[in-house]
Amino acid sequence: AQTVTQSQPEMSVQEAETVTLSCTYDTSESDYYLFWYKQPPSRQMILVIRQEAYKQQNATENRFSVNFQKAAKSFSLKISDSQLGDAAMYFCAYRSGDDKIIFGKGTRLHILP
Amino acid sequence: EPEVTQTPSHQVTQMGQEVILRCVPISNHLYFYWYRQILGQKVEFLVSFYNNEISEKSEIFDDQFSVERPDGSNFTLKIRSTKLEDSAMYFCASTLAGILNEQFFGPGTRLTVL
Repeated sequence: AQTVTQSQPEMSVQEAETVTLSCTYDTSESDYYLFWYKQPPSRQMILVIRQEAYKQQNATENRFSVNFQKAAKSFSLKISDSQLGDAAMYFCAYRSGDDKIIFGKGTRLHILP
Repeated sequence: EPEVTQTPSHQVTQMGQEVILRCVPISNHLYFYWYRQILGQKVEFLVSFYNNEISEKSEIFDDQFSVERPDGSNFTLKIRSTKLEDSAMYFCASTLAGILNEQFFGPGTRLTVL
């Protein structure tokens, strides 16, 4: 069974600094998708970035980028120039051919002014 | 921009009562999902629905749960006899195609069972 592990329950970063959230996963599939979702206090799930496993190039979305290491089954999220609005719970997630999304336990990110 | 909507935003019920959580997926989407997030825990898959039938369900989705798409627009989750441990945030999601496209999440319904 696929699993997603986020080893950092909480992290803090100074505003305008860069922070990296870690994620590892386990799967025997070769084709899959990886995601980072943001959940602010409103508890809405917001897709931040996604990565197709067949793509070697790391995905980027403005200040958000990933470091995808397929062989190591690692998928970290880097947030550059952190802003107060980035404070939220961040979930790493996995999706393969059977469609459902499997989430990690989340990392709560605090932004220090 | 089209979005998934859910009603109510917060539902309070007594243990043993039936509840129906409602979702309106994005109109041209074909696959529908329910997820659950117990407070402070991770989001867990409950069930996926395609072509008017369940395509997959988790072990959480026991006989107390059912889903329905009664009128071509709504997608409902029914819990027949709620338990205290059913208290959670319930998210509906939909996608155009099963694998290649993003699942769009609704804002969630917070269910509180007393």
